[in-house]
Amino acid sequence: GAGVSQSPSNKVTEKGKDVELRCDPISGHTALYWYRQSLGQGLEFLIYFQGNSAPDKSGLPSDRFSAERTGGSVSTLTIQRTQQEDSAVYLCASSLQGHFYGYTFGSGTRLTVV
Amino acid sequence: GENVEQHPSTLSVQEGDSAVIKCTYSDSASNYFPWYKQELGKRPQLIIDIRSNVGEKKDQRIAVTLNKTAKHFSLHITETQPEDSAVYFCAAPSHTGTASKLTFGTGTRLQVTL
Repeated sequence: GAGVSQSPSNKVTEKGKDVELRCDPISGHTALYWYRQSLGQGLEFLIYFQGNSAPDKSGLPSDRFSAERTGGSVSTLTIQRTQQEDSAVYLCASSLQGHFYGYTFGSGTRLTVV
Repeated sequence: GENVEQHPSTLSVQEGDSAVIKCTYSDSASNYFPWYKQELGKRPQLIIDIRSNVGEKKDQRIAVTLNKTAKHFSLHITETQPEDSAVYFCAAPSHTGTASKLTFGTGTRLQVTL
């Protein structure tokens, strides 16, 4: 696609429920990143994919968070048993081949846990 | 891993004045330094970047300078306009094994007043 597409744009969920966030990167971009941005805060790294493998998962906050990428394209971030502190904007970014070319960000998914 | 510090956290300037935002980084091997602009409710967008083989790069009213010895880089915006009002993030590469990602500063909220 022309840009990085994320869905849904907004998600409200009850505490304890599972959620799935989707990212569709720019076609041909091999690198895909997930970041989290809490209200008024900076960008917190979650996970990095190169192709379908995830060489860096160091930012995932707990074992409730997981992500996968299939076909070297679409990625899904899953949060199990959501907590109120998971409320944030989840941003996906893709890059042609690693960080050196800069990221293109998606518009994000605003997750609210009530 | 990389530690990126950004100052100031907020900056208010009058239209037409210049604005300067500074960042420091910790990894002397870092070789790429992008700046992102995030308007309210929008995605972060790359506005300028610099690689370690140059000391300065300009693009119209914005410029970035890099001092590798001191491990700091700065964003300069001249002749500021109201549309420059946004949050600006600096970033530097962070490595985990063979994987790399961008580590972001905490952001500077720039307000351009009339």
